[in-house]
Amino acid sequence: GAGVSQSPSNKVTEKGKDVELRCDPISGHTALYWYRQRLGQGLEFLIYFQGNSAPDKSGLPSDRFSAERTGESVSTLTIQRTQQEDSAVYLCASSSSGARTEAFFGQGTRLTVV
Amino acid sequence: GESVGLHLPTLSVQEGDNSIINCAYSNSASDYFIWYKQESGKGPQFIIDIRSNMDKRQGQRVTVLLNKTVKHLSLQIAATQPGDSAVYFCAEGRSGGYNKLIFGAGTRLAVHP
Repeated sequence: GAGVSQSPSNKVTEKGKDVELRCDPISGHTALYWYRQRLGQGLEFLIYFQGNSAPDKSGLPSDRFSAERTGESVSTLTIQRTQQEDSAVYLCASSSSGARTEAFFGQGTRLTVV
Repeated sequence: GESVGLHLPTLSVQEGDNSIINCAYSNSASDYFIWYKQESGKGPQFIIDIRSNMDKRQGQRVTVLLNKTVKHLSLQIAATQPGDSAVYFCAEGRSGGYNKLIFGAGTRLAVHP
């Protein structure tokens, strides 16, 4: 596609439920990032995928968070047993692996846990 | 290090004044630096980049300065306008290979009439 696409754009879920967030990166981009952004705050790194390398999961805040990516395609971020503190905007970005490492962001998924 | 969820510092400027947003980066091996602008309700958008073999780069109303000696990056916005109100992030990266982009904490720019 023309840009990074995320779905859903908004998600309201009950505490304790699992949610799955989707990211469609720009075609051909080998790198994919997930970030969390709480209201009025900065970007909190969650996970980084680069090609077939092992992902960098160092930012995942707990074992309730996981992410998958098959090859250079779609990625899903799963949050199990959601808590109110998980409420935030979840941003996905992708980039190529060449000399230019600019990351292109999606519009994000706004998650609200009630 | 990695950016974490912190309340953002705010820079307040008068419309028409010049703005300077600063950023300290962490990795001396980084060879590529980017400034992003994030408007309310949107994802960050690319503004301007600079490679490590340069110390200055100019765009339309924006200038990025790089001081590798002290690992400092700045974004200068000339004649700041209300539409410049946003959160600004710097990012550092390395070309090629496993080249995760690292984002700074961000600065909120508030432009007052």
